[in-house]
Amino acid sequence: SQQGEEDPQALSIQEGENATMNCSYKTSINNLQWYRQNSGRGLVHLILIRSNEREKHSGRLRVTLDTSKKSSSLLITASRAADTASYFCATDGGGSEKLVFGKGTKLTVNP
Amino acid sequence: ETGVTQSPTHLIKTRGQQVTLRCSSQSGHNTVSWYQQALGQGPQFIFQYYREEENGRGNFPPRFSGLQFPNYSSELNVNALELDDSALYLCASRRGGAYNEQFFGPGTRLTVL
Repeated sequence: SQQGEEDPQALSIQEGENATMNCSYKTSINNLQWYRQNSGRGLVHLILIRSNEREKHSGRLRVTLDTSKKSSSLLITASRAADTASYFCATDGGGSEKLVFGKGTKLTVNP
Repeated sequence: ETGVTQSPTHLIKTRGQQVTLRCSSQSGHNTVSWYQQALGQGPQFIFQYYREEENGRGNFPPRFSGLQFPNYSSELNVNALELDDSALYLCASRRGGAYNEQFFGPGTRLTVL
């Protein structure tokens, strides 16, 4: 079963705009990770945020985590056509054996 | 690019056959996990190996089995292939511990006819 739920399922924006994707999950976690996947290829790790952190930045990426609402958001600023991909959040479900993924948000950035 | 490699890239099998997929973990990583990703879905956890022992398994039948070798590389074996086994199979490696990122390989695309 998939714990994470990304929202929206699909997002289409123009180059230069910001893209925000949301993720909700069900159980307690140690950390939450965001990944990018291009056209059915492997997953690229973007950022990990620990359960005791509220916000984290990496380049044009900003991730927030609200453990009281069991939700996270990924913001991509000044988007580029190369950001076109599917984005997944993954939680560890409180243990360290596995990651639980949602179905992802498909982002299209139009040039 | 991560240091995780997988082989082969693509594979076509027929129902009932057996398949072995291979993964080399990133240097310094002692934990390897396997995931199955069906089209349009997120990856689903199959199992994890740590120091050559399976230490976590998802909701997959016993015909999905694996191995981890002393150099931490790993194999995923699937017996009696079914059409629904067609998917992208992803391997991920990490250092042990709850706060360490998992890094994924490029995947093996398996098609079962």
